[in-house]
Amino acid sequence: DGGITQSPKYLFRKEGQNVTLSCEQNLNHDAMYWYRQDPGQGLRLIYYSQIVNDFQKGDIAEGYSVSREKKESFPLTVTSAQKNPTAFYLCASSISRAPNQPQHFGDGTRLSIL
Amino acid sequence: GENVEQHPSTLSVQEGDSAVIKCTYSDSASNYFPWYKQELGKRPQLIIDIRSNVGEKKDQRIAVTLNKTAKHFSLHITETQPEDSAVYFCAVYSGGGADGLTFGKGTHLIIQP
Repeated sequence: DGGITQSPKYLFRKEGQNVTLSCEQNLNHDAMYWYRQDPGQGLRLIYYSQIVNDFQKGDIAEGYSVSREKKESFPLTVTSAQKNPTAFYLCASSISRAPNQPQHFGDGTRLSIL
Repeated sequence: GENVEQHPSTLSVQEGDSAVIKCTYSDSASNYFPWYKQELGKRPQLIIDIRSNVGEKKDQRIAVTLNKTAKHFSLHITETQPEDSAVYFCAVYSGGGADGLTFGKGTHLIIQP
C-alpha cells in the first residue's frame, strides 16, 4: 500500500476556512475514493471517481468537493459548509472501474478544528 | 441503501483461542465482501475478501464464510496471536447507487496473553 500517499498527516482548520487534503497514487489505478472515519465508527463514503474528469457523490458529500484532473491525484476540499469536519480522512484506490475490486488505503489525514 | 451490521463491537479472547466476527447485510444483490484490519492510527489493510459465488475462503489462520440466503458473512481467526489485536471492519459492495463500499462499525479484537 505504499503507492498511496496522503498529506498532510495532521491538519487544523479555522472557522470559515476551506482546507484541501491531498491524495496521490502511483499504482496506475483508475478508481479513487474518499472516506471519513469518526471515532468508534466505520468508514463512510464521501466521493469517488472511476475515471479522470469524472466523480460521483457518496453517502455524505455535503460540505465537501473533489477534482480528478489527473489519474494519479484526487484531492478533497473540506469547505466551510461542513460544520463538523473533525475526523480521520482516508483515501483509497482500486485497480479498475469495476467497483468490486479490492480497495487499498493511504495512511490518512487527521483534521481538527482550531 | 445498503445496511451493514457488525457484531460484536468488542471481542476479548485468550491467546491461542479462535475469534469469530459476524456481519449481516440488507441488499440481496451484494456481491463482494472484504474484511479490513486497522491498527490504532493506521490505515485499514485488506486481510481477506470473498465474492458471492464462493461460500468459504481461507488464508492460513484466517477464513471467511458467506451465507447468501441468510445475508451474513463471518470472519474466523484461529490460533490467535497478540499481533491480531486490532479493529476489524467488514464491508459490502452491492453494486447499486454509490460505487463504494458500505462498512460495518468495527470490532475491537483484544488478545489476552
